Amino acid sequence: KAGVTQTPRYLIKTRGQQVTLSCSPISGHRSVSWYQQTPGQGLQFLFEYFSETQRNKGNFPGRFSGRQFSNSRSEMNVSTLELGDSALYLCASRGTVVETDTQYFGPGTRLTVL
Amino acid sequence: AQSVAQPEDQVNVAEGNPLTVKCTYSVSGNPYLFWYVQYPNRGLQFLLKYITGDNLVKGSYGFEAEFNKSQTSFHLKKPSALVSDSALYFCAVRDGYGNNNDMRFGAGTRLTVKP
Repeated sequence: KAGVTQTPRYLIKTRGQQVTLSCSPISGHRSVSWYQQTPGQGLQFLFEYFSETQRNKGNFPGRFSGRQFSNSRSEMNVSTLELGDSALYLCASRGTVVETDTQYFGPGTRLTVL
Repeated sequence: AQSVAQPEDQVNVAEGNPLTVKCTYSVSGNPYLFWYVQYPNRGLQFLLKYITGDNLVKGSYGFEAEFNKSQTSFHLKKPSALVSDSALYFCAVRDGYGNNNDMRFGAGTRLTVKP
């Protein structure tokens, strides 16, 4: 089975722009979660989608949004980019939303905001 | 809310020696515990998880972890370290109490195995 894929792998944007990141989960997985990883804050949960519905959200401003499509692919959007948004954005998928189900991560999208 | 702590930022061991990466957790209900490893410029790779049952869990690449309920710990271990084990290790917990619980990660421990 193919793993979780994320596109693009690298992005460079300037302050004030907006960006959309894409994630394709493992085939058959219906849950997609997004995380932000920075050296200072570590891994922080952004949100989780299951069957096209957001089921959980972390403590991030409204500039961060996401959606999930009927094929379980997910996109994350960040509007009005700030320098502090520079980070590795990781997507993870799991088959169900049972607490014991394992999440599998993609390689990440490295976003640099100048 | 659930939380997890990795008390050591850095662990250094010599190749061939045993290694331990420490993790402690706090939850309201049953803990579901996970270990992941991250190599440079890569995502997180799943190593192992504890759900219930035997306190010693075996995972990928010869790693194992011991669940200790009284000490609320879930330390990662390997009997004989390899240089290729050098990476960033994350402990994570999901709380079995309540609904829609997200997974919380520790700050990570950088393991360096020297030849």
